[in-house]
Amino acid sequence: NSKVIQTPRYLVKGQGQKAKMRCIPEKGHPVVFWYQQNKNNEFKFLINFQNQEVLQQIDMTEKRFSAECPSNSPCSLEIQSSEAGDSALYLCASSPWGYYAEQFFGPGTRLTVL
Amino acid sequence: AQSVDQPDAHVTLYEGASLELRCSYSYSAAPYLFWYVQYPGQSLQFLLKYITGDAVVKGTKGFEAEFRKSNSSFNLKKSPAHWSDSAKYFCALEGLGGGSAKLIFGEGTKLTVSS
Repeated sequence: NSKVIQTPRYLVKGQGQKAKMRCIPEKGHPVVFWYQQNKNNEFKFLINFQNQEVLQQIDMTEKRFSAECPSNSPCSLEIQSSEAGDSALYLCASSPWGYYAEQFFGPGTRLTVL
Repeated sequence: AQSVDQPDAHVTLYEGASLELRCSYSYSAAPYLFWYVQYPGQSLQFLLKYITGDAVVKGTKGFEAEFRKSNSSFNLKKSPAHWSDSAKYFCALEGLGGGSAKLIFGEGTKLTVSS
């Protein structure tokens, strides 16, 4: 079973508000991924890190999204100004190495933007 | 383009039957393929992966999958099915390029096993 921790489990925000969620990867996993799973079960890769460095990211949705994985602190994903279309399950995953490795997923943060 | 297709949104069968969930992929290079399961209210759990080698790979919970390059498929199988296998199953492809190993998911197959 995965030991990836995500907080909070649920997040409710109004449009225009900031939304921040955190992820603690499994111990010993230097690679962290963020995905967005919408209500139609479509997954969208957002960003990933190896240790503190960004490996790849999408256009980060008009720059409203930001993420970081500081040393000795949880990783975080923040939406600067939430929109209704951001309502989704945000999944954090970690893996022991970058390629060919299974990713271990956390329970997700379900964001609802009213 | 890289993509994964799971053509069956829903599969229903009786306990004891054999299950096969279909997955096809589109990819220009050698594919790295995964299956994950999502039980209601839970997150994704890894079942198995194909990287190279034997076309049939075995995973957790009694599942196996067969990689077929000829028709770009990676179908998940289990026999017999159990009611506890009821869940949503996702096939995924490791994306190429960009220096990372992001997963490209299909839209999932909801499996219902009746007792």
